[in-house]
Amino acid sequence: EPEVTQTPSHQVTQMGQEVILRCVPISNHLYFYWYRQILGQKVEFLVSFYNNEISEKSEIFDDQFSVERPDGSNFTLKIRSTKLEDSAMYFCASRGGGASGYTFGSGTRLTVV
Amino acid sequence: AQSVSQHNHHVILSEAASLELGCNYSYGGTVNLFWYVQYPGQHLQLLLKYFSGDPLVKGIKGFEAEFIKSKFSFNLRKPSVQWSDTAEYFCAVNLPNTGTASKLTFGTGTRLQVTL
Repeated sequence: EPEVTQTPSHQVTQMGQEVILRCVPISNHLYFYWYRQILGQKVEFLVSFYNNEISEKSEIFDDQFSVERPDGSNFTLKIRSTKLEDSAMYFCASRGGGASGYTFGSGTRLTVV
Repeated sequence: AQSVSQHNHHVILSEAASLELGCNYSYGGTVNLFWYVQYPGQHLQLLLKYFSGDPLVKGIKGFEAEFIKSKFSFNLRKPSVQWSDTAEYFCAVNLPNTGTASKLTFGTGTRLQVTL
């Protein structure tokens, strides 16, 4: 069964540093998403991406965040200057067209120290 | 904006007991509904989804859910739980007609603990 692949699985970074979280969505999917889950809390929507541009972003997705699909394969989330409160599990998801469901990756656990 | 409520935050059941987890959403129009499961340390996996048609939806691992439009509910059920069902369960909704990349909105999750 096709999978969404995320790397790294765990990243530790110092406050103020830039991090890039990487995702390889399912190859024929059209829509791409980033979600995050702070420990013990619910899964929160960050951003959706379609046709090489952002479709929607949440209040969390401020100027410190950006997404890119640089080569038609990878889908990255960049946090420019990390804060302690950015510590969370970040999930990438992709979806095909029509009535297809969302497939989630296994997540990247980001720890900001 | 749509929202999803899961009123059971933590449920503890013995093996073989029946399970029902509540999910209510707030949106008056057409919705797509999902249940995801997250086993400890793992990613979200789709249990089942409802888009249209028969409101009783059967998913993987013996789970089913019933969409009751009049109650804005999509409760998850399983007749007999197993220890391996211990996990966090998330209800989610998206609005199919709000744009091409409609997001999922999740409930706060229900932690199910099954004891032997």
